[in-house]
Amino acid sequence: DQQVKQNSPSLSVQEGRISILNCDYTNSMFDYFLWYKKYPAEGPTFLISISSIKDKNEDGRFTVFLNKSAKHLSLHIVPSQPGDSAVYFCAASSFTSGTYKYIFGTGTRLKVLA
Amino acid sequence: DAEITQSPRHKITETGRQVTLACHQTWNHNNMFWYRQDLGHGLRLIHYSYGVQDTNKGEVSDGYSVSRSNTEDLPLTLESAASSQTSVYFCASSGQGLNTEAFFGQGTRLTVV
Repeated sequence: DQQVKQNSPSLSVQEGRISILNCDYTNSMFDYFLWYKKYPAEGPTFLISISSIKDKNEDGRFTVFLNKSAKHLSLHIVPSQPGDSAVYFCAASSFTSGTYKYIFGTGTRLKVLA
Repeated sequence: DAEITQSPRHKITETGRQVTLACHQTWNHNNMFWYRQDLGHGLRLIHYSYGVQDTNKGEVSDGYSVSRSNTEDLPLTLESAASSQTSVYFCASSGQGLNTEAFFGQGTRLTVV
């Protein structure tokens, strides 16, 4: 049973436009959500996160939105740049229950077209 | 600078052989994790540890084992390698505080022939 789902395996966006990557989760105990970026032949690198007490977190061109009632989060990249082309994973954890493991989605491959 | 390193980066082994993948972190993190990445499955948790002598099974632990004898290392052992274990393996670590991120190693590409 996939607790964290990314239903879009791939996404193509023109340079300068907005990229929106989506993630859904099923476990209501999750209270911390993260996005990671992964380039080929490299390990995933942390991008941005959000706690369940917030509904938005912004860091430069990256914004994560959390809709707890819908169990849905999204990552917005504005403006998109060719260097953003990578696989993006969302992840979730439930720290307040004493569980520090991270459950990942299947990833979305973003291609930003110049 | 603190880091997390995996070795080897690439390995080819034969079916039935025992294989150990190394993971070493200098962050002094209590939490360490092993994931495998496969097309269509994303990153799946194999085993994890919250401290020395603590190990826990993840969602795909069959055929794998770990041991944690010190803070810095969490080696992953494939007891009898199978072709289904051909994958890219990532080690990660995180601190003890709430709302912290995990830091990943560069990965080990394992091929079982």
